[in-house]
Amino acid sequence: KQEVTQIPAALSVPEGENLVLNCSFTDSAIYNLQWFRQDPGKGLTSLLLIQSSQREQTSGRLNASLDKSSGRSTLYIAASQPGDSATYLCAVSPVNYGGSQGNLIFGKGTKLSVKP
Amino acid sequence: GAVVSQHPSRVICKSGTSVKIECRSLDFQATTMFWYRQFPKQSLMLMATSNEGSKATYEQGVEKDKFLINHASLTLSTLTVTSAHPEDSSFYICSARRAGTVSGNTIYFGEGSWLTVV
Repeated sequence: KQEVTQIPAALSVPEGENLVLNCSFTDSAIYNLQWFRQDPGKGLTSLLLIQSSQREQTSGRLNASLDKSSGRSTLYIAASQPGDSATYLCAVSPVNYGGSQGNLIFGKGTKLSVKP
Repeated sequence: GAVVSQHPSRVICKSGTSVKIECRSLDFQATTMFWYRQFPKQSLMLMATSNEGSKATYEQGVEKDKFLINHASLTLSTLTVTSAHPEDSSFYICSARRAGTVSGNTIYFGEGSWLTVV
């Protein structure tokens, strides 16, 4: 059974600091891995999607890496800003799932607080 | 970009009543929609997969008679929480897969619905 773990559960950093969020998954049979942002009381905003054949994706100050064989992904945020404060979720699209493709298995998230 | 609208965003209902949550794909057709639930400080957990024109597929442990899912058109899926209890209070969110694709990068999420049962 695929399980996704995110470490740390919470992180507080001063503005301007570079930081790394970690995600691990137990089954390497995935179609892709996504990082999402969730603001309090809000839905999900997709940040980066990495296909299983890819090693990393970049968008602005965000860089996500994927090491499928070891079951790990990292989200790197450069020059953090108070507006980055949110919960960051990692999710994988499992291959070995009997239902429809498109189901995602989520981690519990890392709650990030960037202090001005 | 593609938009998925979820309504209502927040709802409070009395214990024992039923409440319906709608998930609409506004600018694309979605043959498959997914319903998730998120309890505080927990992961989003898939409840069921909704396929247009057929019965929903429920995940283990999810009561299909309590969480009724209807996907009557290519743009609308509804989740009805029947005989709601306080323990059903949670954040419910849907996602929609654009028709004609199988890759994960065409999954779009709604804004979610906060249900409080009093």
